[in-house]
Amino acid sequence: KNEVEQSPQNLTAQEGEFITINCSYSVGISALHWLQQHPGGGIVSLFMLSSGKKKHGRLIATINIQEKHSSLHITASHPRDSAVYICAVRGATNKLIFGTGTLLAVQP
Amino acid sequence: DTEVTQTPKHLVMGMTNKKSLKCEQHMGHRAMYWYKQKAKKPPELMFVYSYEKLSINESVPSRFSPECPNSSLLNLHLHALQPEDSALYLCASSATPGPVQPQHFGDGTRLSIL
Repeated sequence: KNEVEQSPQNLTAQEGEFITINCSYSVGISALHWLQQHPGGGIVSLFMLSSGKKKHGRLIATINIQEKHSSLHITASHPRDSAVYICAVRGATNKLIFGTGTLLAVQP
Repeated sequence: DTEVTQTPKHLVMGMTNKKSLKCEQHMGHRAMYWYKQKAKKPPELMFVYSYEKLSINESVPSRFSPECPNSSLLNLHLHALQPEDSALYLCASSATPGPVQPQHFGDGTRLSIL
């Protein structure tokens, strides 16, 4: 079992829909990252959080430390949101432990 | 535009060639990272440099040789690679090596070994 699990693995949505991607982890962490990767492209860091909730534009990330769970929400989804979304956690070492990613396709 | 610049964007090389990947950042970050990413897989950490010193080597084969000549520059020297080394190589940096520092990623170098 991976230390970081994401669900769903694949997600297809219609433009305008509200989207939720989930991340569960089994290790103690100091921070959790949500990353976005477009096909063939580099990685963009969306959020780093260690408690509570953060919002940036149409993106919202929440984390529940007790339940070892985080969610990434996209409101009013758009085709340009189509990408792979990766959850990654930082433990006591300087290493990121990555989830396997969620491939999101938003159709017009 | 990414603040971490990787060159080249694409590289095709034979198994006997020697080439280098370059990564540059001017954010004053003191930790830099190399990752390898195969298609449809998450990135795998290869090396971490902290304050220009190699701090983590994830048992990477010696045909990959990292170098950090100064705090802004990170190289990955390649020699005698195998076809299975074809992948996207990502560089990242963070302000310090601490676990609560966000990492900034470059766009990657897509490497193909013939």
